[in-house]
Amino acid sequence: DAGVIQSPRHEVTEMGQEVTLRCKPISGHDYLFWYRQTMMRGLELLIYFNNNVPIDDSGMPEDRFSAKMPNASFSTLKIQPSEPRDSAVYFCASSSQRSSSYNEQFFGPGTRLTVL
Amino acid sequence: KNQVEQSPQSLIILEGKNCTLQCNYTVSPFSNLRWYKQDTGRGPVSLTIMTFSENTKSNGRYTATLDADTKQSSLHITASQLSDSASYICVVKEQTGANNLFFGTGTRLTVIP
Repeated sequence: DAGVIQSPRHEVTEMGQEVTLRCKPISGHDYLFWYRQTMMRGLELLIYFNNNVPIDDSGMPEDRFSAKMPNASFSTLKIQPSEPRDSAVYFCASSSQRSSSYNEQFFGPGTRLTVL
Repeated sequence: KNQVEQSPQSLIILEGKNCTLQCNYTVSPFSNLRWYKQDTGRGPVSLTIMTFSENTKSNGRYTATLDADTKQSSLHITASQLSDSASYICVVKEQTGANNLFFGTGTRLTVIP
């Protein structure tokens, strides 16, 4: 398996623009997570899905953030409108409780977002 | 309040030397503790996962210890290599819920020749 795939790897946009980040989880995994990482706060969970259904979105900072998982192999994280403080690295991770009793998460390479 | 604290924040060592990274947590009830290695520009990769009953676990030159009584863990790196330069993140999982993970802010390790 190619692992968790994220696109784009880098995104530079202007304040006010819409940003869409994409993730393809590992095939067969039933959990998908979106994280944000900054120097100041480290890794923060934004939202996670189980079997394509959002379970906990309490980490989503504002209504400007939204996430969808239309099927088991694709998820998006959208920011609209974007602000400079949204600049961070966004990671997608997936896991499977069936294959690991620890529910170990496998992370993608991340998308580095810069909002000017 | 559930928290994970790591120390030191950053560390520079000479190639070939050993080092130990620390992680203290207040997460309760405890399920497991994970150490991740994150290379620059990459996502975190799991090194070890330990449950309550495990005191030590090794992965090559990496050895993690866990003292569930004092809520402390350490990651010991033996005979460091340049490729060990990375951030090491301690993550503690709470027993309740599918994904109650608490992340430390990491220790940035730099190994110099």
